[in-house]
Amino acid sequence: DAGVTQSPTHLIKTRGQQVTLRCSPKSGHDTVSWYQQALGQGPQFIFQYYEEEERQRGNFPDRFSGHQFPNYSSELNVNALLLGDSALYLCASSFVQGGTNYGYTFGSGTRLTVV
Amino acid sequence: AQSVTQPDIHITVSEGASLELRCNYSYGATPYLFWYVQSPGQGLQLLLKYFSGDTLVQGIKGFEAEFKRSQSSFNLRKPSVHWSDAAEYFCAVGNSGGYQKVTFGTGTKLQVIP
Repeated sequence: DAGVTQSPTHLIKTRGQQVTLRCSPKSGHDTVSWYQQALGQGPQFIFQYYEEEERQRGNFPDRFSGHQFPNYSSELNVNALLLGDSALYLCASSFVQGGTNYGYTFGSGTRLTVV
Repeated sequence: AQSVTQPDIHITVSEGASLELRCNYSYGATPYLFWYVQSPGQGLQLLLKYFSGDTLVQGIKGFEAEFKRSQSSFNLRKPSVHWSDAAEYFCAVGNSGGYQKVTFGTGTKLQVIP
């Protein structure tokens, strides 16, 4: 059973560019959340998608946007990259049953370096 | 707003010794609580979770955690640490309900010495 798959694993972008990160959730999961983890820090919640809509959002600027597709996979887009956007971006999937979320499964992340 | 405090940034223990990692949370209702472990450059692996019921939760790799509502704590324990347990450990709190936002602590880095 495949877990959460993220691509690419690493990438380097130049300040001001745009980037798209991709995530395929674990089989049976319908909710995708994105986290940013700066070096030496805990993961920070960016946003969560369910039924192709953004359901919750953390304290991140509009430069961060996302999308969820009918097959539950998701993309994270970051525009006008800043040096401070360099981080490990983690995707987590989960499923909701009877109004209860049964916890996240995390991917291995995409390491984004902005130069 | 929900939050998590992990007061110990770095802990060193000898292999075979017992371990306790501290976690305090802030949340208005009954929280969902988690402990995750992260090896360098890797994603997070769920060690255990508490949703309701028995306040002593057993997890993978011999870890356990105890939910203490009166102390707003969810400390992680292991009776005998192995060198392979060296990693960073994150405590997290989630709101109840379907659209769950999980908030992480800043982590505790565990070093295991021979």
